Amino acid sequence: DIQMTQSPSSLSASVGDRVTITCQASHDINNYLNWYQQKPNKAPQLLIYDTSNLETGVPSRFSGSGSGTDFTFTISNLQPEDIATYYCQQYENLPFTFGPGTTVEIK
Amino acid sequence: EVQLVESGGGLVQPGGSLRLSCAASGFIFSSYNLSWVRQAPGKGLEWISYISGTSTTIYYADSLKGRFTISRDNAKNSLYLHMTSLRDEDTAVYYCARTPSVVTPGEFDHWGQGTLVTVSS
Repeated sequence: DIQMTQSPSSLSASVGDRVTITCQASHDINNYLNWYQQKPNKAPQLLIYDTSNLETGVPSRFSGSGSGTDFTFTISNLQPEDIATYYCQQYENLPFTFGPGTTVEIK
Repeated sequence: EVQLVESGGGLVQPGGSLRLSCAASGFIFSSYNLSWVRQAPGKGLEWISYISGTSTTIYYADSLKGRFTISRDNAKNSLYLHMTSLRDEDTAVYYCARTPSVVTPGEFDHWGQGTLVTVSS
C-alpha cells in the first residue's frame, strides 16, 4: 500500500495568513493526488484534484502543487470559514489512501 | 443538484450484519462509478470499496478480508454495502462518494452526509 504522510498535523494561523500543508507519498504517485476539506461533522469536500486543479466552485485562494512523492497545499489568504481538517489522498494504486489530516485553526 | 443520501446505519452487535444504502439523484446514476469511504470516530478517512457504473469492476480494501460486499441497482439509483461479521473496529461513519470520471477512479467529487454504524455489545 502507498502510505501518505502530512505535516503539520495541526496549525494555528491568523486571518489573512498564507498556510501551507505538505503531503508525502511512500512511492511516486504520478500526480494522482487530491486534497479534501472536512469541516466538523460534515462530509469531506474535494478542493484540488490531480495535484493542482481547482474543483469547480472552490475559491482561488486554495491551490496545490508538487510531483512524484512530494506535494503542497496552500491557502493564500486564510479566512474564518477555512477552519477544517484537510486531507491529501492518492489514487495511483489500490487501495486509495488518505493522509492522516491537518487541522487548521484560527489564531 | 447531485445528491447522495446514505441510510441503514445503526447499532449492531459484534458478529452481526448490516446493509447500508445510498440513494442518488441529480445525475445519470449508471454513468458514474462510486465508492464507500469510512471514518472511525475522531479518526481519518479510509477508502473501503469501489464499483464501476455497470458493476463489472469492483475493488475492496484488503483490510475487509471478504466481509463486505458492494453492489448497486441502477434501476433504483442506489448503491449498497452489505457488511457481515462486524467488529468493534468497523464502528465508523460510512460515506458514499461519486467518482466524476472513469479515468479517475479514486477522485471523489460528491459525498453523502454519511451514516453511523456502531458495533457494540
